[in-house]
Amino acid sequence: GAVVSQHPSWVICKSGTSVKIECRSLDFQATTMFWYRQFPKQSLMLMATSNEGSKATYEQGVEKDKFLINHASLTLSTLTVTSAHPEDSSFYICSTHRGGAEAFFGQGTRLTVV
Amino acid sequence: AQSVTQLGSHVSVSEGALVLLRCNYSSSVPPYLFWYVQYPNQGLQLLLKYTSAATLVKGINGFEAEFKKSETSFHLTKPSAHMSDAAEYFCAVNTDTGRRALTFGSGTRLQVQP
Repeated sequence: GAVVSQHPSWVICKSGTSVKIECRSLDFQATTMFWYRQFPKQSLMLMATSNEGSKATYEQGVEKDKFLINHASLTLSTLTVTSAHPEDSSFYICSTHRGGAEAFFGQGTRLTVV
Repeated sequence: AQSVTQLGSHVSVSEGALVLLRCNYSSSVPPYLFWYVQYPNQGLQLLLKYTSAATLVKGINGFEAEFKKSETSFHLTKPSAHMSDAAEYFCAVNTDTGRRALTFGSGTRLQVQP
């Protein structure tokens, strides 16, 4: 069964609005959650690493004020795209580990900003 | 530092033919290596993983990969392609640094012709 649950699976929003994406670990505690972005026909690029109870670590070139990450509990991490613009349209995926090197991924969220 | 190179962004095979997807890695420490499959608008599903045990790794759906340290390769194979194998395949590397964020290759789209 699924190890990580990500919602919503798709969302359409108007330019200038904010969108929140949730990622939950099922039946285990995820102290670290990774957020990736995938543009069409491209690979996954790590955006940020969220750690429960502390500030997220952002990759170079990722605006921390635009992509707000909250990891307030051991089973929930959220990514909020603030003041979304059409160029933020992408596929966002979260992942975590359950004690090993293998990563478990959420189902992904297709964000379309119109 | 770690990196992954996937040769061939598109591979097309006939149904029943051998599938070979190439992956070369670069890592300063012994790596963990993974192959993931992604269907449109979905998250990633683990096909198989190498974690320093047997060099020939068998995965789901008849796929297997062989870790060759001398060639820094981890190519994915399947003896007989099925139509349902058509998808995007990603090779990924991780190192036991504690950070555990995967680094992905650029992906290979597999087409299976009837």
